[in-house]
Amino acid sequence: SQTIHQWPATLVQPVGSPLSLECTVEGTSNPNLYWYRQAAGRGLQLLFYSIGIDQISSEVPQNLSASRPQDRQFILSSKKLLLSDSGFYLCAWRGEGANYGYTFGSGTRLTVV
Amino acid sequence: ILNVEQSPQSLHVQEGDSTNFTCSFPSSNFYALHWYRWETAKSPEALFVMTLNGDEKKKGRISATLNTKEGYSYLYIKGSQPEDSATYLCAFRDSSYKLIFGSGTRLLVRP
Repeated sequence: SQTIHQWPATLVQPVGSPLSLECTVEGTSNPNLYWYRQAAGRGLQLLFYSIGIDQISSEVPQNLSASRPQDRQFILSSKKLLLSDSGFYLCAWRGEGANYGYTFGSGTRLTVV
Repeated sequence: ILNVEQSPQSLHVQEGDSTNFTCSFPSSNFYALHWYRWETAKSPEALFVMTLNGDEKKKGRISATLNTKEGYSYLYIKGSQPEDSATYLCAFRDSSYKLIFGSGTRLLVRP
């Protein structure tokens, strides 16, 4: 069966520090992968999605970047964090079939101080 | 820019009450509407995927309806229980299979 792993669960980082969040999927090949963020008091906003290795699409201009160095690995990064990067980050994998539902990772709570 | 709206933003009910909330989405270029249940400190959990106008789906005490012509979906919970407390998210699936989420309805069921 397919599983999705995301880490770390929580992170407190100072402003200006770098960021790396990792997401890996098991049990499937060539998955479509997504990074979402929930900022305080807001809904889930799509940040990046990837349909394959090194194929990344950005949905909103921001201080973050994403990479997909391997088929089942999706990384969210920043060179210098801003206070506004605080939020809850979710990685998701899109299933196939008629429903095309998403399966989410457990999320990372990022607090930039 | 696609806009998905959910109301109310939050809802407090007593155990045993039935409740419902709304998701509004663009009525043109409709592909699917997804409902998720999101408990604190857990991953969002898929409830329903709805694709046809007039669809009604049910899972235990939770059910949902879909009106694609007017662009809304209702989620109903019958006889709310404290374990139903969560944020309920709806998401509109666009032509490229991306999910555009609403901001959610936060439900709190008091014992």
